[in-house]
Amino acid sequence: AAGVIQSPRHLIKEKRETATLKCYPIPRHDTVYWYQQGPGQDPQFLISFYEKMQSDKGSIPDRFSAQQFSDYHSELNMSSLELGDSALYFCASSLGRSDTQYFGPGTRLTVL
Amino acid sequence: AQKVTQAQTEISVVEKEDVTLDCVYETRDTTYYLFWYKQPPSGELVFLIRRNSFDEQNEISGRYSWNFQKSTSSFNFTITASQVVDSAVYFCALSEAWAGNNRKLIWGLGTSLAVNP
Repeated sequence: AAGVIQSPRHLIKEKRETATLKCYPIPRHDTVYWYQQGPGQDPQFLISFYEKMQSDKGSIPDRFSAQQFSDYHSELNMSSLELGDSALYFCASSLGRSDTQYFGPGTRLTVL
Repeated sequence: AQKVTQAQTEISVVEKEDVTLDCVYETRDTTYYLFWYKQPPSGELVFLIRRNSFDEQNEISGRYSWNFQKSTSSFNFTITASQVVDSAVYFCALSEAWAGNNRKLIWGLGTSLAVNP
């Protein structure tokens, strides 16, 4: 079965640079979630989209923005990167509001 | 407020031992969902099970079983005859039905399970 696709899988950036993470949900899934997981921590919810509209916002810094496109893929844009942004970024997708969230393999971002 | 507590930070067992991972949750909602996810050393998050608050039936899937008890707000996970491949961090998570269009997950801090040969 098709899974959530995230690209790139690994990303190395310098401080103050920008990064764009992409997420392709499971076909027919209409809801996308972004999570950030620091080393040894649980995932922290950043933002979610349902039917291309932002549906909830968590602890997402103002330097970050995201959107969901007409084909349901989503992009997380991160600017003015800081060392503390180094983390594993997960995208998850679900079908509708009450379905299980299935996670992509994650993007490991390293900020030097 | 919603909260998920996994009191066991790390567990170490020898292969073939049974092991139970504890999960206790707090919520004011009467309708909610509970989940277990596995995160192996490779880093991906693998969905294991979802249980809704109206279904207290225990579930068994191969060597995995889950015990949901609303009376004690617990959703414990047991691995029978553990194997080295079970070594991972296991997360318990909660989402609430009142959340409308979004179902952000409230996570426990995870239990790191090491199964030694």
